[in-house]
Amino acid sequence: GAVVSQHPSRVICKSGTSVKIECRSLDFQATTMFWYRQFPKQSLMLMATSNEGSKATYEQGVEKDKFLINHASLTLSTLTVTSAHPEDSSFYICSASGDVLYAEQYFGPGTRLTVT
Amino acid sequence: AQSVAQPEDQVNVAEGNPLTVKCTYSVSGNPYLFWYVQYPNRGLQFLLKYITGDNLVKGSYGFEAEFNKSQTSFHLKKPSALVSDSALYFCAVRDMRQAAGNKLTFGGGTRVLVKP
Repeated sequence: GAVVSQHPSRVICKSGTSVKIECRSLDFQATTMFWYRQFPKQSLMLMATSNEGSKATYEQGVEKDKFLINHASLTLSTLTVTSAHPEDSSFYICSASGDVLYAEQYFGPGTRLTVT
Repeated sequence: AQSVAQPEDQVNVAEGNPLTVKCTYSVSGNPYLFWYVQYPNRGLQFLLKYITGDNLVKGSYGFEAEFNKSQTSFHLKKPSALVSDSALYFCAVRDMRQAAGNKLTFGGGTRVLVKP
């Protein structure tokens, strides 16, 4: 199957700072990338959908100014958590999908963000 | 709107015994169904999917799932569970109508514990 990577795998940052998470599709062109958030022992919550070259579509309740998403190329999307606070601490997972009907989503390994 | 229900938060089974993880879904169009497994601090690993055709789908690591349209179910099964199958399992659905986009909706997850 297709491979999706995320970097970093773990990050600790201080409250008030910003942190960027990268999601890369390594062996296919991802026209659509998704960003999810997962709290401990809970399911994945879709935060936003990004299409290459377009503005991301955010789910209800997700602050677009706080969670900046950029999908500048067919292999890279970034999520920037701005002015992070301890409540932003979570496991962030991206997935990538190609441009075919019924295209699957391929998931990255996740990034553990801890805000102190 | 689409939704997925996994009625059991946890399933305990003895090694060597059959394992079943339940999933029911709701979509407006025809369903595109998935099962994923997640190990601690990892992303999601694809197990199997159903689009159309044979109602019994075989996937990775000896898992299979049966699509039942009348009961709107897609239960995951393994004839003989291994201790290494202990993990968190997610069922997901996508509406196959193109206008619905390719967003996945996840169930709440079922933790499987296989005891030796």
